[in-house]
Amino acid sequence: DTGVSQNPRHKITKRGQNVTFRCDPISEHNRLYWYRQTLGQGPEFLTYFQNEAQLEKSRLLSDRFSAERPKGSFSTLEIQRTEQGDSAMYLCASSYEGNTEAFFGQGTRLTVV
Amino acid sequence: GQQLNQSPQSMFIQEGEDVSMNCTSSSIFNTWLWYKQEPGEGPVLLIALYKAGELTSNGRLTAQFGITRKDSFLNISASIPSDVGIYFCAGQRNNDMRFGAGTRLTVKP
Repeated sequence: DTGVSQNPRHKITKRGQNVTFRCDPISEHNRLYWYRQTLGQGPEFLTYFQNEAQLEKSRLLSDRFSAERPKGSFSTLEIQRTEQGDSAMYLCASSYEGNTEAFFGQGTRLTVV
Repeated sequence: GQQLNQSPQSMFIQEGEDVSMNCTSSSIFNTWLWYKQEPGEGPVLLIALYKAGELTSNGRLTAQFGITRKDSFLNISASIPSDVGIYFCAGQRNNDMRFGAGTRLTVKP
């Protein structure tokens, strides 16, 4: 297993377009987290899955954001009608139930122009 | 936003010096984690702490879980140039993990 994998690594999009990011967690990790990180800040929690169930969503996750984990394995994060303020690094992390150590992917850097 | 207060914001040190950074919160956490992040990459887990008062080492890194469960510190001994990066603390409570704003470490050879 090569760890948490995120695709794409970089995405440049025009304002108003929709974008989708993918996260493949470490095999057998049933917990999956999405975070957003802006320059000079620590990661901010967006949402969390246990298996396929989305158990928690942050207030940061507006109606334009949706996340899925249909089979309890990989997850997608979609942003509709992107805005310049959505420009950030989007990080995915996974962990095994009962073990609180979360491992991060390399992130997807989104630039909205 | 950030719920953890991490300090200092940045440090400029000479190679070979020891480094200390800490994280405090108004909330109690069950687990404290320390991560290192390099430019353009995701955070990499360095140390995990599970019990109040716990002191854990990972090579030149030592971290402690404060007895009040509201704070943690990370020490790096005998710094080397590859220690450069941003160090984040993270407190975890149930399934909720919150991060500090990071300490940016620069090591001068």
